Amino acid sequence: DAKTTQPNSMESNEEEPVHLPCNHSTISGTDYIHWYRQLPSQGPEYVIHGLTSNVNNRMASLAIAEDRKSSTLILHRATLRDAAVYYCILRESRETSGSRLTFGEGTQLTVNP
Amino acid sequence: EPEVTQTPSHQVTQMGQEVILRCVPISNHLYFYWYRQILGQKVEFLVSFYNNEISEKSEIFDDQFSVERPDGSNFTLKIRSTKLEDSAMYFCASTGGTAYNEQFFGPGTRLTVL
Repeated sequence: DAKTTQPNSMESNEEEPVHLPCNHSTISGTDYIHWYRQLPSQGPEYVIHGLTSNVNNRMASLAIAEDRKSSTLILHRATLRDAAVYYCILRESRETSGSRLTFGEGTQLTVNP
Repeated sequence: EPEVTQTPSHQVTQMGQEVILRCVPISNHLYFYWYRQILGQKVEFLVSFYNNEISEKSEIFDDQFSVERPDGSNFTLKIRSTKLEDSAMYFCASTGGTAYNEQFFGPGTRLTVL
C-alpha cells in the first residue's frame, strides 16, 4: 500500500478553521484519498474522500494537490467535538471484492475552547 | 440513520477460552470487515468478507480466528483459544455499493483476556 505521512499532533481553537495536511508522494493513479477520524473511545468514522478534484461535504472539505502527492483536510469551524485522531488513508480502486483500510498513526487534533 | 451495532460492549474471558464477537452490519451492505486496536496502538485490519467468503485477510488473522455470517443479519468473529495478546478493541465495519465506498464502523467490543 502507498504510504501517507501526517503530523503527530495539531492544535486549534474553537470556531477557527483547521487544515490537516497529509503527504502521499507514492500515490498511484487509481488510489483514492480517504479521511477517517476516531473520537475518544469510539470506532473510526468516515469523513470524506476524493480522487483528483477538491471535495466538500457537510463535515469537511478535501483539497487535493494538482500532482496528488499531498492533500489537506479542512474543518471550516472547529468545535470541541472535532477533537479526534484524523487518519489519511489511500485506498486502491480495484474491482476485486473487499478493500481494507490501512490506518497509520494519524494526527491527534486538540481543540481549545 | 442506520448504524453498525456490536455486542457485547465488553467481554472478559480466561486465556484459552473461545469467544464470539457479534456484529449487525447495516442492512443493505454487502462487504463486512473486522479490525482490532490494541490499547494505545493503531487500528489494524483483520479480515474482509464478501459473498459469504473471506475476500482478504491479514497476517494477524491466523487459524485461531474465523468469521461467519450465520444468517442474513449477523456477522461474527470467533477466536478459538484466546491469548493474552488478543486483548484489544474489536471493530466491525460494513460497506455498501462498491468495495471502496466508505466503511461504517461499529462502536467496538472491548475484549479482555485474563
